[in-house]
Amino acid sequence: DAKTTQPPSMDCAEGRAANLPCNHSTISGNEYVYWYRQIHSQGPQYIIHGLKNNETNEMASLIITEDRKSSTLILPHATLRDTAVYYCIVRAYGGNKLVFGAGTILRVKS
Amino acid sequence: EAGVAQSPRYKIIEKRQSVAFWCNPISGHATLYWYQQILGQGPKLLIQFQNNGVVDDSQLPKDRFSAERLKGVDSTLKIQPAKLEDSAVYLCASSLVQGIADEKLFFGSGTQLSVL
Repeated sequence: DAKTTQPPSMDCAEGRAANLPCNHSTISGNEYVYWYRQIHSQGPQYIIHGLKNNETNEMASLIITEDRKSSTLILPHATLRDTAVYYCIVRAYGGNKLVFGAGTILRVKS
Repeated sequence: EAGVAQSPRYKIIEKRQSVAFWCNPISGHATLYWYQQILGQGPKLLIQFQNNGVVDDSQLPKDRFSAERLKGVDSTLKIQPAKLEDSAVYLCASSLVQGIADEKLFFGSGTQLSVL
């Protein structure tokens, strides 16, 4: 599975959009981009995933560049409860392992 | 819907002792995973079950770690004997169907193990 690169940490003001980047320049055509987050003292939580089209759900939006080499997770109105570690993962359709990197620590500040 | 249940929540043992963790996945979920998360790192997969069969245990230190899922439902992970470097959070996750694009893993809150 392709590796991803994320910034180690980011800050965001409460109520503003949080844009979390992820680089996956070696992604293959059959690999999906997944986002999970982990709030302190909890297990990771699924957020969203996509292949090449932009995706939106009740939690977030996922924007994937046309060449699929990078993506951005957008939390449209960040709250203090969104403070967490955010993991960007690429995995092939039908792939077994979900391989977590170090992720991005997002701190939402009032 | 009940989530993934894990126990105990915390465990403190001395090195060379044994310890066991228990996980009850979401009802109906065929796939069960055990992850190890060392402080400051992302979770690392230890073992994956599909029903009661092992799909992937390539990163399980088999000289000291063992896991079972006897009836395809709940699972136990055992460490015997424990080493200092086993101090970590042990996370259990489950999913309805493995290997599809829409597979979503649901995680428990984990067991925090401290080996002294």
